[in-house]
This record gives sequence, structure tokens and C-alpha cells, in this order.
Amino acid sequence: GQQLNQSPQSMFIQEGEDVSMNCTSSSIFNTWLWYKQDPGEGPVLLIALYKAGELTSNGRLTAQFGITRKDSFLNISASIPSDVGIYFCAGLNYGGSQGNLIFGKGTKLSVKP
Amino acid sequence: NAGVTQTPKFQVLKTGQSMTLQCAQDMNHNSMYWYRQDPGMGLRLIYYSASEGTTDKGEVPNGYNVSRLNKREFSLRLESAAPSQTSVYFCASNTGGLEQYFGPGTRLTVT
Repeated sequence: GQQLNQSPQSMFIQEGEDVSMNCTSSSIFNTWLWYKQDPGEGPVLLIALYKAGELTSNGRLTAQFGITRKDSFLNISASIPSDVGIYFCAGLNYGGSQGNLIFGKGTKLSVKP
Repeated sequence: NAGVTQTPKFQVLKTGQSMTLQCAQDMNHNSMYWYRQDPGMGLRLIYYSASEGTTDKGEVPNGYNVSRLNKREFSLRLESAAPSQTSVYFCASNTGGLEQYFGPGTRLTVT
């Protein structure tokens, strides 16, 4: 089946640093989504991308939908302690089966205060 | 709006016991989903319901059954729990194939 490769798996960063993570796939997606999961909570949608090449920001977060439609990246600028959590990418194909949301395995972000 | 709600939050079962996980959404979404999350595995789809009255298998359906009771509610049943079903279970919903919204999860331990 379709798989997403998300990297890095985990990262420790110093508060104030910028963070980058990405997802790649062998399949094309129509939509890329980025979620954040806080400890003990469900994933919360951060950014949704609908067009190849699209660059979207949400506060300190910036995400891009790759031109090939097979990848996406998420940047966090000036990280703070509350950025700790697991970030998931997800690829979605709409118009077909409703079950086509494919998740990456997550990037666990830890911040040193 | 409460969004997606799940009950219970925590549950401990013995091998062979049965239970039903409940999920409800108040966003008038057509589609609902059940995922399980295991360490290092990300989120894997168990079952989904594209609309009221329909259900379909996802990636890991074995050992589970679902019921789409009405547009709001989608339940997940474990008929005979096994230790391999120890996991965190998330319900999600959406409309029209757009982004999914998740509940807070049910943490299940099977001993």
C-alpha cells in the first residue's frame, strides 16, 4: 500500500532554533496535511495544503506542498517549549475512497529550555 | 461545539473480554474513522464509514467490528480482546474527503 516516509524520526533542539521536517512518498497526493499531537491528546490539524507548489503559513509554522505532489515539508521558526510533541504528515486523495488518508510515522520534537 | 468526543478515556480488559468504544461528532460530518496508534507505527486505519449506513475495512480490521449508529455516532467493538489490541484508539470525522478532525483518544490495555 501507499506509505509516507517522514524524517527525522526525532529531534532535540535548543529553544529559539528553527526546525525542519519532511515527508516523501512514492505516490501522488491531492492534499497534504500536517498535524501535531500533544502528549495524551489526539492529533490537531496545523496546516492543510491543496495545490502543488503551495506555501502556507500559520504563525511560526510554514508548510509547502511539493511540486511533484510526492512530498511536503514543515518548518517551525523560533521554537519554544510548547512546540514539544509529535508532528505527523498525512497525504489525502479525495474523490476516491474515503479511507485514503495515509499518515507518516511522526517526528517527535523535544526542546531543551 | 464539542467536536469529536470519545468514551471511555481509559480501559483495562482481560484477554477474551469484550467492549465497545464510543465516538460521537457534532460537526455534521458525513464520514467517520477509527484508527489505532502504536509506538513507532503512526496512525493506522481500522475501519471507516463514508456515510450513514456504510462501513468499510481499513488497513488493520481483524479483531474489530464497527457500527455507524446514525450520522453522529460510530462505535468500535472488540468481541474478544487480545494483548495485541493494547493501543490508543482515535476516532476522526470529516466531510467530502477533506481534512479529518480527531477525538482525544481511548487508551486500552489488554492483560
